[in-house]
Amino acid sequence: GQQLNQSPQSMFIQEGEDVSMNCTSSSIFNTWLWYKQDPGEGPVLLIALYKAGELTSNGRLTAQFGITRKDSFLNISASIPSDVGIYFCAGQQTQGGSEKLVFGKGTKLTVNP
Amino acid sequence: DAGVIQSPRHEVTEMGQEVTLRCKPISGHNSLFWYRQTMMRGLELLIYFNNNVPIDDSGMPEDRFSAKMPNASFSTLKIQPSEPRDSAVYFCASSLGSGFNQPQHFGDGTRLSIL
Repeated sequence: GQQLNQSPQSMFIQEGEDVSMNCTSSSIFNTWLWYKQDPGEGPVLLIALYKAGELTSNGRLTAQFGITRKDSFLNISASIPSDVGIYFCAGQQTQGGSEKLVFGKGTKLTVNP
Repeated sequence: DAGVIQSPRHEVTEMGQEVTLRCKPISGHNSLFWYRQTMMRGLELLIYFNNNVPIDDSGMPEDRFSAKMPNASFSTLKIQPSEPRDSAVYFCASSLGSGFNQPQHFGDGTRLSIL
């Protein structure tokens, strides 16, 4: 199936630092979503992007829908310990007349206080 | 508001046994999704329903897996017979509308271990 390349796989940062992660693909997507998953819980939606070039913020989080529709990035500014978790991108596309949703493998974020 | 409710939270069983996972979507949501999460393959969509009708089950691994949605407030994912390679966390999610354009709300998952 279609793959999303999410990078980096893991990050170890100091509290207060900014973080950037991204997802790329060889295919075009109609929607990009960013989720965060805490241990033992399901993913929680952080930001949804619906238009190429769209830049959306949610508190200290900012995400952009790439202009080519093949990529997206998520930035976290001034990280805090509770930002720890796994961040997933997901892309929605139409294949053969049906809709598909594909997830990246995740970026595991560790924040040292 | 109650979120998506999944049960059981944990299940440990021997291979060959039948496993049934349950999900109650958020009231008013008309799309329901079943996912499997493993370290190797990440999150994979197994099947999704819209208005209780299965729309796309192309992600269901094989005939041992089946899913039903008898009404708007309940769905099951069944594995029979179970195998060790089925061990994973299974998530249910629901959303308003159809397809994937609406944000999905996930349950806390069922951690399944097949011995």
